[in-house]
Amino acid sequence: DGGITQSPKYLFRKEGQNVTLSCEQNLNHDAMYWYRQDPGQGLRLIYYSQIVNDFQKGDIAEGYSVSREKKESFPLTVTSAQKNPTAFYLCASSRLAGRTGELFFGEGSRLTVL
Amino acid sequence: DAKTTQPTSMDCAEGRAANLPCNHSTISGNEYVYWYRQIHSQGPQYIIHGLKNNETNEMASLIITEDRKSSTLILPHATLRDTAVYYCIVRNSGNTPLVFGKGTRLSVIA
Repeated sequence: DGGITQSPKYLFRKEGQNVTLSCEQNLNHDAMYWYRQDPGQGLRLIYYSQIVNDFQKGDIAEGYSVSREKKESFPLTVTSAQKNPTAFYLCASSRLAGRTGELFFGEGSRLTVL
Repeated sequence: DAKTTQPTSMDCAEGRAANLPCNHSTISGNEYVYWYRQIHSQGPQYIIHGLKNNETNEMASLIITEDRKSSTLILPHATLRDTAVYYCIVRNSGNTPLVFGKGTRLSVIA
């Protein structure tokens, strides 16, 4: 079945460590996105990519990095520079062209910094 | 993109219609209204979207006022599984990312 797969679902890390969250899609979507969600809050955009080898910062990109070497994959690295990394991270994808703009989301990765 | 305003929370009795309002008074002519919902600890799910006409699909109906300054999402027969946070989002027809607010927390009560 087509969809978006995020891994790992739960992740613990010590302060000062970098961690990479995986996001893979087999929907043949051009655009991919990373959002962060804190308890009781809406989603905030970290980074997005509309084409391979290109990406743009969202509202809260500081302390994060991404790559888009393949259409299907958009990994997010949470670096040690991110001051409050504990959060729920959501990856999404969409078709680029057309007006629907429907986003398909993965099940999320919950990161806890100890 | 225009800003939206939604109530923080709402309750609805099981089996009744749930009507979720959204104000978007600064919406411009090329902006669509999207609705998503997020069940606890899952990724948001697309529900419906529209430009100016009312829309209906298997999940819900979207009623947009004639001046397009507000809209209502209608779940015709709410079930306990509809308990979720519902997000109303306004976005233009381009490829800009969706901006999520805090949404409305709908609780369906047995």
